[in-house]
Amino acid sequence: ETGVTQTPRHLVMGMTNKKSLKCEQHLGHNAMYWYKQSAKKPLELMFVYNFKEQTENNSVPSRFSPECPNSSHLFLHLHTLQPEDSALYLCASSRGGAGGTSTGELFFGEGSRLTVL
Amino acid sequence: QKEVEQNSGPLSVPEGAIASLNCTYSDRGSQSFFWYRQYSGKSPELIMSIYSNGDKEDGRFTAQLNKASQYVSLLIRDSQPSDSATYLCAVNIPGFQKLVFGTGTRLLVSP
Repeated sequence: ETGVTQTPRHLVMGMTNKKSLKCEQHLGHNAMYWYKQSAKKPLELMFVYNFKEQTENNSVPSRFSPECPNSSHLFLHLHTLQPEDSALYLCASSRGGAGGTSTGELFFGEGSRLTVL
Repeated sequence: QKEVEQNSGPLSVPEGAIASLNCTYSDRGSQSFFWYRQYSGKSPELIMSIYSNGDKEDGRFTAQLNKASQYVSLLIRDSQPSDSATYLCAVNIPGFQKLVFGTGTRLLVSP
């Protein structure tokens, strides 16, 4: 059982569709993250949850809606996306709380490759 | 000014050589620094963390930190073709639960 599991691994959707990305961590961590990775750009932090509470929303458009029902699960709900939202979406988890050094020690899932047509 | 800057490369080194990867950051208050390795088509994997000025060694990897110059580097000794990957520098933003990444340096180690 891998540490951080993401599903689906690949997703193709139209601009009017609604879909969700799922992430589950089996590491006993307290914090979970969504990152976006696009070609030629640095990893972009989207959302941070610490003990199920959202602690960071990095000016992400409302067409992306996160949900964290417990410390082990994280979702990213997608609706009316744009083609420029096509990217690799990475979920990560870490042990630490806000601002702690261990928050830099991230464990990533394999990512969900999203294509918006 | 970008918060974390890296040369995108590719950096090409022959097998057995030392690969030197560099990173500069803009926030003087940053205290935590990390190197992640990302193989093509895979997710990033943490390989080194460093919090104090100086060198930190782990096997063939050495991380170097100079806070006065806002500079962090990663040395890979005895480079192997399996080290070919993109290396991401990441810096913790003080006071926030936020890690800022550079764009990464692509390393190619030729046999």
